This record gives sequence, C-alpha cells and structure tokens, in this order.
Amino acid sequence: QQQVKQSPQSLIVQKGGIPIINCAYENTAFDYFPWYQQFPGKGPALLIAIRPDVSEKKEGRFTISFNKSAKQFSLHIMDSQPGDSATYFCAASIESSGDKLTFGTGTRLAVRP
Amino acid sequence: NAGVTQTPKFRILKIGQSMTLQCTQDMNHNYMYWYRQDPGMGLKLIYYSVGAGITDKGEVPNGYNVSRSTTEDFPLRLELAAPSQTSVYFCASSSAPGSLNTEAFFGQGTRLTVV
Repeated sequence: QQQVKQSPQSLIVQKGGIPIINCAYENTAFDYFPWYQQFPGKGPALLIAIRPDVSEKKEGRFTISFNKSAKQFSLHIMDSQPGDSATYFCAASIESSGDKLTFGTGTRLAVRP
Repeated sequence: NAGVTQTPKFRILKIGQSMTLQCTQDMNHNYMYWYRQDPGMGLKLIYYSVGAGITDKGEVPNGYNVSRSTTEDFPLRLELAAPSQTSVYFCASSSAPGSLNTEAFFGQGTRLTVV
C-alpha cells in the first residue's frame, strides 16, 4: 500500500521555468512533510520541510504548498537552474516517531540550459 | 565532520552468501535507520533504532537483521542473499523528536547486487 503518491515521474523544463512536483498522502496522522533532493550516486539530502499548521513555506527558490483538507502538498522551484537537475522525493512521517519516513516514488527533474 | 558513513560503496554477492553493511555516524544521534531504494519505488524503511540496544522493524524487514550496540554504529546483516535484495541501501540518522533540528542525514549508499 503506497501511502504517499508522487507525480510526475519525470519532468523536463527550460532554465528559468517553474517545475511543480505534486504529492498526495493517505495517513491523516502524518504531521511532517519533507522534500529530499538526490543527485546521482549520492544519498538524499533534506531540501525543505513543512508542518500542517502552515499552508506555504519558502526557502530561497524552493516553495512548499500544503493543502491539509485535500491531503496534498507540492514543491515549486522558482527560476530553475541546470544545477537543480536531480531526483526529488516527497516524504511524510509522524514526527513524534522520529524520521521513519514514508517516501514518494521520486521525480527525476532535468533543467535544460 | 563526516556525518553518516557507509561501507562498502559497492558489493556483488552470490545467492546464499551473507554480508554486513556498515554504518557509522559521528553526530551523536539517537535515531538511526536503514532504507533500501529500488528504481521507481522510492525508499522503503527496513529497520530503525531509537537508541543503543533498541531496534525495530520497518516496512520491509524480511531477510535482514540489525544490531545497535553503540550510539555510533548500526550495521545491517543479510544472512542468505537473494536476487530480490539487489538494491541501493541507505543508512540515515537523526536526533530525537522534539530536538531543535530533527533532520535525517543520509549516507552515500551501498549498491548491492546479488547474482
């Protein structure tokens, strides 16, 4: 049973474009929603995270939008750059249980120069 | 500051062989995790530990064992390797919930092929 559904599987945008990656979750007990960025041959690294008490969080060019009633959240990358080309994973957890993360299936992003 | 260190980086095993994937962290984190990453499937939790001497199963524990004798080390053992265990394995660590920063830090992974 996949508890976090992520789309699209892959995404190609031009430099300066705004890629959007969407995730939906099923478990209403989840209260921590991080996004991880992974480059080839490397481990995932935390990019940005949100908790359900806010609807939006920005860190630099990265923004998470969160819709609690729809059980959906998304990542927007403003002014995307070729260096943003990576695989992005959304995840969810019950924060009191630590980082027992349930991951989405990942989105491979390519930003063309 | 090394963070989370995994060894080996690559390994080829024959069916039925056993091996231990090593993981050590130098951040004094109580919580440690093992995930496996399969193409198109995201990462799935194998085992986790909330402190030395305490371990518990995650989503996909079958075929694996873990131990946590120290805060720093969390080895993952495969007893009878099977082709289904071909995957990339990631170890991670984080501080306890309620800490100022509960971010999970990942190692660089171990790519395992069972033939």
